[in-house]
Order: sequence, then C-alpha cells, then structure tokens
Amino acid sequence: DGGITQSPKYLFRKEGQNVTLSCEQNLNHDAMYWYRQDPGQGLRLIYYSQIVNDFQKGDIAEGYSVSREKKESFPLTVTSAQKNPTAFYLCASSIPGTSGTIFGPGTRLTVL
Amino acid sequence: AQKVTQAQTEISVVEKEDVTLDCVYETRDTTYYLFWYKQPPSGELVFLIRRNSFDEQNEISGRYSWNFQKSTSSFNFTITASQVVDSAVYFCALSGGDVNAGNNRKLIWGLGTSLAVNP
Repeated sequence: DGGITQSPKYLFRKEGQNVTLSCEQNLNHDAMYWYRQDPGQGLRLIYYSQIVNDFQKGDIAEGYSVSREKKESFPLTVTSAQKNPTAFYLCASSIPGTSGTIFGPGTRLTVL
Repeated sequence: AQKVTQAQTEISVVEKEDVTLDCVYETRDTTYYLFWYKQPPSGELVFLIRRNSFDEQNEISGRYSWNFQKSTSSFNFTITASQVVDSAVYFCALSGGDVNAGNNRKLIWGLGTSLAVNP
C-alpha cells in the first residue's frame, strides 16, 4: 500500500542535541512538506520541497534543516538552535498542481 | 493576506445529533482551494475533501456534507447522525495561487475544531 512513513512515533532527546526525524513516501509524489503542530495553534509549515535537491523555507524554518537527496525521502533535523522543539511533527507529500496533500502519522518529539 | 478562521474551538454533541463545523476564509486570490481534514486521537491527518473556488456546488459523502458559499467566504462541514468515531479535531485549510502552473501552494490552516461525540 502506498503511503507516508514517519519514524519513530515518539522520540525523546536531551536539550542541546540535534535530532533527525525520518519521512519516507512511496507515492511517487514530487512535493514533500514538514509541519509542526502545537496545542491550540494548528499546523505551521517548516520546510517544503517541490523536487529533488531543492527545498524552501516555510513560516518557521529557524532551528531546522532538511535535505532532499531522493524523491522518496525528506528528513528533518531539529537542531539545538530551535528554542522550543517539543511538538508534534507531521510530514506530508503531494503531486504539484493537484493540491491533494497526504499526511504521515507524525512523530511526537519531546526534548527533556 | 490569507487566513482561515474556525471560530468553534470545541463542540460536544450526543450521538445521532447533527453537527456543523464552521470555516470562514480570507483570500485575494481568484483561484483557490479549500480543504477539510480530520485528525483522530492517533494524530494522523486524514484528507476529507477539496473544493476549488469555481465550484460552489455542495457535496455530500455519506453522512458528511459541505456547504461552500463564496458570498460569505464560508466552507462549512456538516456531519449528520454523528457517531462516536467522528470524535476528532477537524481542520479547514486554504490553498491559493495557480496550482496548474505546477506550483503547489502551501496550505493555510485554521486552528481546528475539536468535536466530541458522546454515546
């Protein structure tokens, strides 16, 4: 079955450590996205990528980095520069021009 | 500026009641898309519907129906005969621009409405 895989579902890290969240899709979608969700704040876009080897900052990119070396993969690194990294992170993908966005199950990151 | 407002933060109903979730949007784009997503307790966002700005025809899918009115910039979502499994947070979202140009515009999200359906 086609879909988006995010692992792990729960992730704990110590303050000051970088951490990388995995996102893999087998939908053959060109575009991929990372969103952050905090309680009561809806979804905010961190980074997005329309095509391999290209990505753009979203609304809250500071303290995050991404790479897009393969079409299927769009890992997100939460760096120590991110002031408040504890949140629920959602990866998504879509085919450009369709606006039909599919989401992964999410990773809940807790920084202790 | 683009904006989506979901004024209802939380709604609680008893099973089998009908419930309407409100969504009001702001945009200067002439071409745009509106969406509804469901987020159950598991956290995954489930796509429910996409509506483009040129199609004001209301849509029904089983117990779900959507009322799109450009005159009031609203895209309301009604669940008929609600069930406990409908309990979730529901998000309305807006995407603007020329999607046919291959530029997949980012989604602008409302803050969500938390629906609790009690037995």
